Amino acid sequence: SQELEQSPQSLIVQEGKNLTINCTSSKTLYGLYWYKQKYGEGLIFLMMLQKGGEEKSHEKITAKLDEKKQQSSLHITASQPSHAGIYLCGADRTGTASKLTFGTGTRLQVTL
Amino acid sequence: DAGVIQSPRHEVTEMGQEVTLRCKPISGHDYLFWYRQTMMRGLELLIYFNNNVPIDDSGMPEDRFSAKMPNASFSTLKIQPSEPRDSAVYFCASSTGTGAYEQYFGPGTRLTVT
Repeated sequence: SQELEQSPQSLIVQEGKNLTINCTSSKTLYGLYWYKQKYGEGLIFLMMLQKGGEEKSHEKITAKLDEKKQQSSLHITASQPSHAGIYLCGADRTGTASKLTFGTGTRLQVTL
Repeated sequence: DAGVIQSPRHEVTEMGQEVTLRCKPISGHDYLFWYRQTMMRGLELLIYFNNNVPIDDSGMPEDRFSAKMPNASFSTLKIQPSEPRDSAVYFCASSTGTGAYEQYFGPGTRLTVT
């Protein structure tokens, strides 16, 4: 969706390096969902952010939602080959979390 | 739980043929979603159901597409007649729909229309 932009579109990092993926909305969000997709598979839920300024972490992945609730970042620390895949952000614009609009995705490759 | 189950995983058909995609949501989930993913358009919501009732079908491309959910454990997405531009990966997802929650995705059906 053009209302939800992700950057970069693709990323190649060396194992052990840190990286950040951004998701920017043209409208205020009720919630922001991060998913990961491996080639040929469905999406796996990572994290969900609702409050402005909120930050959540799981293992080496940290996601933040800015105060205005229009931009989110996903940060991976000390990347590993298992982090490779496509990362998608999904926006809840209705407040019901029943309809998500997804970004274009960021393809991450981790080299040895 | 086995998760969201989709069948078939791969489908190759000729233009003009009818295609039926199937989905079994996670037991107890009362929301079911159908998505389509292509390189050009990314992941798009086609339609979603709540308690077997279609709530929003504004993403359905055209009349050639139809979706049904006859009961809480089964849904179909039908394309009739199929066209090459329908080639995509179709995902089914389900969720509990209560408050803030995540959607659980199936493995997808890769459809190729020749």
